[in-house]
Amino acid sequence: EAQVTQNPRYLITVTGKKLTVTCSQNMNHEYMSWYRQDPGLGLRQIYYSMNVEVTDKGDVPEGYKVSRKEKRNFPLILESPSPNQTSLYFCASSLYAQASNEKLFFGSGTQLSVL
Amino acid sequence: AQSVAQPEDQVNVAEGNPLTVKCTYSVSGNPYLFWYVQYPNRGLQFLLKYITGDNLVKGSYGFEAEFNKSQTSFHLKKPSALVSDSALYFCAVSRLSGGYQKVTFGIGTKLQVIP
Repeated sequence: EAQVTQNPRYLITVTGKKLTVTCSQNMNHEYMSWYRQDPGLGLRQIYYSMNVEVTDKGDVPEGYKVSRKEKRNFPLILESPSPNQTSLYFCASSLYAQASNEKLFFGSGTQLSVL
Repeated sequence: AQSVAQPEDQVNVAEGNPLTVKCTYSVSGNPYLFWYVQYPNRGLQFLLKYITGDNLVKGSYGFEAEFNKSQTSFHLKKPSALVSDSALYFCAVSRLSGGYQKVTFGIGTKLQVIP
């Protein structure tokens, strides 16, 4: 089954403790992206990747890191989480990075709470 | 720059009645417009998209959307609402930025279908 898999679904951590949220897709998609969803703000893009070893900042990149060492994986890293990073996070992918008419496939989300 | 406005935080409709969820957009050039749906505790799912051609776009689950260039709108519609349509709906606009796709989402509209 074609899908985007995120783990974990729920994560509670404390300020400053490094964490990684994993994302994997099995559709050979070029483009992958991370979003955070906050009430009243909708989805805001954190980082995106056009292909292996090619990443760029989205609209709200501060406090986050990403890597794309393999085409299928795009982990989100919070090196020193803070309470304002408490949010619902989504990974998404699409087939081509250089086409703007491609639909996005989303993971099921990761609810992160930073205490 | 590009933006999407969803003017209603919530739309309530009785089961069996027609529903409309509003979306207006701002983007330079020809827009690619999307609707996604988010059911509770799930990721976003693609509903439909407008690229070019017929202004009435048909999508999944009996939904359709009407593109109106002069009003820069892309309203989501369904002739007869079901209780199972209750969910959060996101409008999105996509274009190429720096050679790669850039997707901007609205803040979402919660649809409540009342039995």
